[in-house]
Amino acid sequence: SQQGEEDPQALSIQEGENATMNCSYKTSINNLQWYRQNSGRGLVHLILIRSNEREKHSGRLRVTLDTSKKSSSLLITASRAADTASYFCAPVLIQGAQKLVFGQGTRLTINP
Amino acid sequence: DVKVTQSSRYLVKRTGEKVFLECVQDMDHENMFWYRQDPGLGLRLIYFSYDVKMKEKGDIPEGYSVSREKKERFSLILESASTNQTSMYLCASRVNTEAFFGQGTRLTVV
Repeated sequence: SQQGEEDPQALSIQEGENATMNCSYKTSINNLQWYRQNSGRGLVHLILIRSNEREKHSGRLRVTLDTSKKSSSLLITASRAADTASYFCAPVLIQGAQKLVFGQGTRLTINP
Repeated sequence: DVKVTQSSRYLVKRTGEKVFLECVQDMDHENMFWYRQDPGLGLRLIYFSYDVKMKEKGDIPEGYSVSREKKERFSLILESASTNQTSMYLCASRVNTEAFFGQGTRLTVV
């Protein structure tokens, strides 16, 4: 059972451009989290947005949440080669909040 | 800093062997998770535990079992390893919000 679905599956952009990734989910959430995974490594937590928040910033990251559309987006501004990674969203449901489930992720490639 | 340590980075086992993957966290986290990651399939939850001796099945528990005798340690057991269990295995721990991941164990079953 996939709780979050990322889109697109792959994204390739030039260094300096902005990258936007989307996440859709199906049921009511407590919060939604975004993670990054560098090749062959574990995931690293990037940012958490609560269900009563609409937008959150952290450095070059901007996350939005639209609970009416059950969707979230992650924007990375002024991308760098080091941002090349896979990005995953994890909606934490109100029912079963202890469970943490990820989707297939978005594979982001930043071209120099 | 929170540390989640998986016992092996790479592991090669034979078909039919009983395999133990160990995960230890040092932050007294209540929730621990085991995932497997395969190309094109993302991360899939195998089992998770929300307390000592407590466990719940994830999305793909078949062929696996888990053990949590102490809060800091969560073990994934492949009762009889098969080639279709060749994968990257990731352990994570969490309390309340963000999860912390281990470095992963790449298991090859031959």
